[in-house]
Amino acid sequence: DQQVKQNSPSLSVQEGRISILNCDYTNSMFDYFLWYKKYPAEGPTFLISISSIKDKNEDGRFTVFLNKSAKHLSLHIVPSQPGDSAVYFCAASLYLLSSNAGGTSYGKLTFGQGTILTVHP
Amino acid sequence: EAGVAQSPRYKIIEKRQSVAFWCNPISGHATLYWYQQILGQGPKLLIQFQNNGVVDDSQLPKDRFSAERLKGVDSTLKIQPAKLEDSAVYLCASSRRGGLLAHEQYFGPGTRLTVT
Repeated sequence: DQQVKQNSPSLSVQEGRISILNCDYTNSMFDYFLWYKKYPAEGPTFLISISSIKDKNEDGRFTVFLNKSAKHLSLHIVPSQPGDSAVYFCAASLYLLSSNAGGTSYGKLTFGQGTILTVHP
Repeated sequence: EAGVAQSPRYKIIEKRQSVAFWCNPISGHATLYWYQQILGQGPKLLIQFQNNGVVDDSQLPKDRFSAERLKGVDSTLKIQPAKLEDSAVYLCASSRRGGLLAHEQYFGPGTRLTVT
């Protein structure tokens, strides 16, 4: 049961243009979403996040958009740079649900399969 | 600040053999996670520790996998006996305790396991 899906295995973009990475989820209880970036032979690194009470969060060249009704989020990178070439994972969490219940699920993330982004000079 | 350390980086074993992985989290991080990442898939949580206690091991194949975190710092993950489908990258991550900070997990470089 793949609760978080990234349907595009790869994306190729020219330097300076916009990169748009997409992610869909099926569990409507997810309320916190994150993007991680991974270079070869390294572990994933946290990039940006968004809470379900927002529909947009921006950090420099990176913006994440959340459409709760469509259960869809996207990561926009503008402008794209060759150093952005990496695998991008979206992840989802039941943050509010676990915290309100006094639960122990803090930090439990469900990851998508990843999208390989290649930015050409 | 030193990152999450893992060893070994690579391991090749035959099926039915045993293997152990080691992780040293970032100093002061109370929460430690072990993930399994199979080629072409995202990381899947195997076990989560809060200090030295297990808070989630629902996806850990307990008939062959075990993990411990003695003294709430370093952790080891063991597979005994290994199967071909255990071939994957095993990632260790840590995070600060509490709230949204727990979601910003810091990952180690991983151990690539090949079972032949």
